[in-house]
Amino acid sequence: AQSVTQPDIHITVSEGASLELRCNYSYGATPYLFWYVQSPGQGLQLLLKYFSGDTLVQGIKGFEAEFKRSQSSFNLRKPSVHWSDAAEYFCAVWGGKLVFGAGTILRVKS
Amino acid sequence: DSGVTQTPKHLITATGQRVTLRCSPRSGDLSVYWYQQSLDQGLQFLIQYYNGEERAKGNILERFSAQQFPDLHSELNLSSLELGDSALYFCASSALIGGGYGYTFGSGTRLTVV
Repeated sequence: AQSVTQPDIHITVSEGASLELRCNYSYGATPYLFWYVQSPGQGLQLLLKYFSGDTLVQGIKGFEAEFKRSQSSFNLRKPSVHWSDAAEYFCAVWGGKLVFGAGTILRVKS
Repeated sequence: DSGVTQTPKHLITATGQRVTLRCSPRSGDLSVYWYQQSLDQGLQFLIQYYNGEERAKGNILERFSAQQFPDLHSELNLSSLELGDSALYFCASSALIGGGYGYTFGSGTRLTVV
């Protein structure tokens, strides 16, 4: 069965600084990978997804993620964080059903 | 607005009671998924329906059941409620039976059992 590990429960970043959220997955075949964002009291919004092809995928709100098969990783990045990016971020892998990691709470300090 | 509608947004009920959560999928989507989000368990997949038929089951308790109607809306029924059932319940939908291209989530129903 597939699984996802997000090693960081909380991350605090200064506004304008770069961001990287880590995600490691476990899945026997080529994975379909996703990043979702959840603002307080809101549902989950899809940021980006990877199916195949170019290992660097671009998403909404200036986010990107890189798939590294050798490391079983799909880390999310953003070059310059805005205060509105404060939220909880979930990495997910699909292998018949969508399985989520535990999430990383991003705090942005001004 | 994601296009997935969940009602009600908030629900407060007592232990032992039964509630029904409702979900209308995005237009054109045939698959509906239910997830439970709690602080200790995170996001847990409960059940999937595709075009009215159950397709996959996850960590769904026997006290919980769901169905998808001919108009494709879905209901999640929770009975004999316990304090531990307090959580945020999400519905998601996808066009494909497998959902491999991603799900669209609703804004959730927050259930509080007192």
